[in-house]
Amino acid sequence: KQEVTQIPAALSVPEGENLVLNCSFTDSAIYNLQWFRQDPGKGLTSLLLIQSSQREQTSGRLNASLDKSSGRSTLYIAASQPGDSATYLCAVPNTNAGKSTFGDGTTLTVKP
Amino acid sequence: DTAVSQTPKYLVTQMGNDKSIKCEQNLGHDTMYWYKQDSKKFLKIMFSYNNKELIINETVPNRFSPKSPDKAHLNLHINSLELGDSAVYFCASSSTDRGSGYTFGSGTRLTVV
Repeated sequence: KQEVTQIPAALSVPEGENLVLNCSFTDSAIYNLQWFRQDPGKGLTSLLLIQSSQREQTSGRLNASLDKSSGRSTLYIAASQPGDSATYLCAVPNTNAGKSTFGDGTTLTVKP
Repeated sequence: DTAVSQTPKYLVTQMGNDKSIKCEQNLGHDTMYWYKQDSKKFLKIMFSYNNKELIINETVPNRFSPKSPDKAHLNLHINSLELGDSAVYFCASSSTDRGSGYTFGSGTRLTVV
């Protein structure tokens, strides 16, 4: 059974700092891994989708890496801004069709 | 706009009532899901449908019944609502193409009073 863990559960940083969010998964037989952002009271917005054959994906100030063999992914946020404050979730689709396992998220607060 | 859309966004109802939440996607995806996000903000899958067929049914009370009239729609009907059903319910879709990610709707906040 796939289990996804995100550490830390909460993170508070001053504006401008670079930071890393961690996601680990127990079953390395994955198709891809997806990072989401959720603002309070809102839905999930997809940030980055990394295929199992890829090592990383970049979008603006965000960079996600994937190491299947060690069962880890990181989300790097450069030059953090208060607008980055949100909960970040990683999701790993189960190898059986249809099921995605979500981590419990990291709640990020960027202080001005 | 291509999207996953859910209605209603908010639903306040009394215990014992029956209610439905609707979901539609125009992304051409063949798999749709219902997730529940509880007060602790943890996301748990409830149901998954692929091409109108149920493929995942997690441990969910049988008061919850999904219905998929076609690949683009997945509705959730809840009978005899209880206080513990209060949560945010998210619809999502994906393609069985292994490279596809998930697209989520904006959620339905259900409050049972």
